[in-house]
Amino acid sequence: NAGVMQNPRHLVRRRGQEARLRCSPMKGHSHVYWYRQLPEEGLKFMVYLQKENIIDESGMPKERFSAEFPKEGPSILRIQQVVRGDSAAYFCASSPGGEPQHFGDGTRLSIL
Amino acid sequence: KQEVTQIPAALSVPEGENLVLNCSFTDSAIYNLQWFRQDPGKGLTSLLLIQSSQREQTSGRLNASLDKSSGRSTLYIAASQPGDSATYLCAGRGGSEKLVFGKGTKLTVNP
Repeated sequence: NAGVMQNPRHLVRRRGQEARLRCSPMKGHSHVYWYRQLPEEGLKFMVYLQKENIIDESGMPKERFSAEFPKEGPSILRIQQVVRGDSAAYFCASSPGGEPQHFGDGTRLSIL
Repeated sequence: KQEVTQIPAALSVPEGENLVLNCSFTDSAIYNLQWFRQDPGKGLTSLLLIQSSQREQTSGRLNASLDKSSGRSTLYIAASQPGDSATYLCAGRGGSEKLVFGKGTKLTVNP
């Protein structure tokens, strides 16, 4: 049973470009969570989605960031017009509802 | 607003030593508390999850306790091994499903 799959593992973008991060939840999981880990910081919650619905986006920056979890396919975290401060590790977790959340290996985003 | 703090930020011990990692949280209305392990460049591996109605959980050499009244949790590692070297994170969950993480304790076990 494959775990949570995130790709790409590493992503390099220049300032002003768009970054798209993908997350495929574990089989049977319909709840997806995105967290961001800035250098020397703990993981911070960004957004919680169920299929086709955003449940809680209280941790998501109001501008440039968006997330979706379509009926078919992976969840996507999209960052438009990236800036240096977006450099971080982005982790996705999934669950069947409630606990526990299973985490992927993350996407390391670097902004040049 | 829930805040989670972990002390110490880093810990270095000789192999074989028993050790305790500390986690404190500000909101006692916690739904559960979870301990994770993070290896460099990797994701998070769940170690133990303690529901608010429980006092402790054990798995092998690991024991985690939860004291809601004092806002504290501890992770006890017995007979530490070099393979235990990693960053240990605790995370509290409130009424929503989001986890609030501490910054972690980086553990180094020296052979």
